[in-house]
Amino acid sequence: EVQLVESGGGLVQPGGSLRLSCAASGFTVSSNYMSWVRQAPGKGLEWVSVIYSGGSTYYADSVKGRFTISRDNSKNTLYLQMNSLRAEDTAVYYCASADAVTTLNRYWGQGTLVTVSS
Amino acid sequence: AIQMTQSPSSLSASVGDRVTITCRASQGIRNDLGWYQQKPGKAPKLLIYAASSLQSGVPSRFSGSGSGTDFTLTISSLQPEDFATYYCLQDYNYPGTFGQGTKVEIK
Repeated sequence: EVQLVESGGGLVQPGGSLRLSCAASGFTVSSNYMSWVRQAPGKGLEWVSVIYSGGSTYYADSVKGRFTISRDNSKNTLYLQMNSLRAEDTAVYYCASADAVTTLNRYWGQGTLVTVSS
Repeated sequence: AIQMTQSPSSLSASVGDRVTITCRASQGIRNDLGWYQQKPGKAPKLLIYAASSLQSGVPSRFSGSGSGTDFTLTISSLQPEDFATYYCLQDYNYPGTFGQGTKVEIK
């Protein structure tokens, strides 16, 4: 059974940093497109970043230069390093994975809340 | 970045109604589009991929159509468990972009 479990969310001051983790089971993170998607309180979904199985990475303009997506194949874990955080980064962050059939996100974690506030 | 314009932003419908939600892309995206359902406090659930392919396990009352710039999600007969918010997502190129969402409420 595929499972994604995020951790690392919390309260951080503006300008601070946080690293989110997403532990995967039931598949290997290096075999699928892996993404981060966020949702600000009461708002819609926002695509944040993706890492391809080959290692290429892409970012939303709103986080480019501040966030870094990566993975550790030995730990079967996806990461999102978030630097220079702003109030507008406050959101629930979801880890998601494609599968062999589609490049769209089929499997999702439960989400982890990041609050950027002084 | 490609813009996805989704409409309506909300709708009220009754059980058994036929419901249609549309997404328009700011440029052609072939059929690189999916539809998601999200219930409060839950992660999104993939319903449709490649614009018209039904995800395994999703009821057949859900269907998708379209190609290029105009896409549609149809629920043929709305069920109580279908009251939720629906989003389209293009992955033709990155950054990926979601539509603004359509909240389907009980009339």
